[in-house]
Amino acid sequence: DGGITQSPKYLFRKEGQNVTLSCEQNLNHDAMYWYRQDPGQGLRLIYYSQIVNDFQKGDIAEGYSVSREKKESFPLTVTSAQKNPTAFYLCASNRGRQTEAFFGQGTRLTVV
Amino acid sequence: AQTVTQSQPEMSVQEAETVTLSCTYDTSESDYYLFWYKQPPSRQMILVIRQEAYKQQNATENRFSVNFQKAAKSFSLKISDSQLGDAAMYFCAYRSTLYGGSQGNLIFGKGTKLSVKP
Repeated sequence: DGGITQSPKYLFRKEGQNVTLSCEQNLNHDAMYWYRQDPGQGLRLIYYSQIVNDFQKGDIAEGYSVSREKKESFPLTVTSAQKNPTAFYLCASNRGRQTEAFFGQGTRLTVV
Repeated sequence: AQTVTQSQPEMSVQEAETVTLSCTYDTSESDYYLFWYKQPPSRQMILVIRQEAYKQQNATENRFSVNFQKAAKSFSLKISDSQLGDAAMYFCAYRSTLYGGSQGNLIFGKGTKLSVKP
C-alpha cells in the first residue's frame, strides 16, 4: 500500500545532540513537507521541498536542517541549535497537481 | 500572507446531534483550496473534506458538509449525526493555487478539540 512512513514513532534526545527523523513516501509525490505541532499552536511549517536536491525554509526553520537526495526521502535533522525541540513532528507530501496533502503517523521527540 | 483562524478551541456535542466548527481565513487571492483535517488521539492527520474556491457549491462527504462563504472568507464544518469516533482535533487549512513558491504548503488554524458525549 502507498503511504508515508515516519520513524521512529518516539525519539528521545539528550541536550546538545543532533537527531534525525526519517520520512519516506512511496506515493511518487514531488513535494514533501515537515511540520511541527505544539499544543495550542496548530501545525507550523519547518521546511519543504518541491523537487529532488532542492528545499526551502518554512516559518520556523531555525535549528533544523533537511536533505532531499531522493524523491522518496526527506529526513529532518534537529540540531543542538534548536532550543526547544520537544514536540510532535509530522511529515507530509503531495503531488504537484493534487491538492490534498498526505501525512505520516508522526514522531514524538522529547529532550531528556 | 494568508492566515487561518479557528475561534473555538473546544467544542462538545451529544451523540447523534449536529455540531458546526468555525473557520475564517484571510487572503488576497481569488483561487485557492480549503480543507478540514481530523486528528484523532492516534495523531494521524486525516482529510475530512476539501473545497475549491472557484466552486460555489458546498462540498459534502457523507455526514460532513461545509458552509463556504467566499465573500465573508468563512469555511465552517458541519458534522451531522455525531458519532463517538468523531471525537478529535479538527484543523482548518488553506492552500494557494499559485505555482512556485510554497505551492502545496498548507496553512493551518490552531484547531478545535471536539468531544462527543454518549
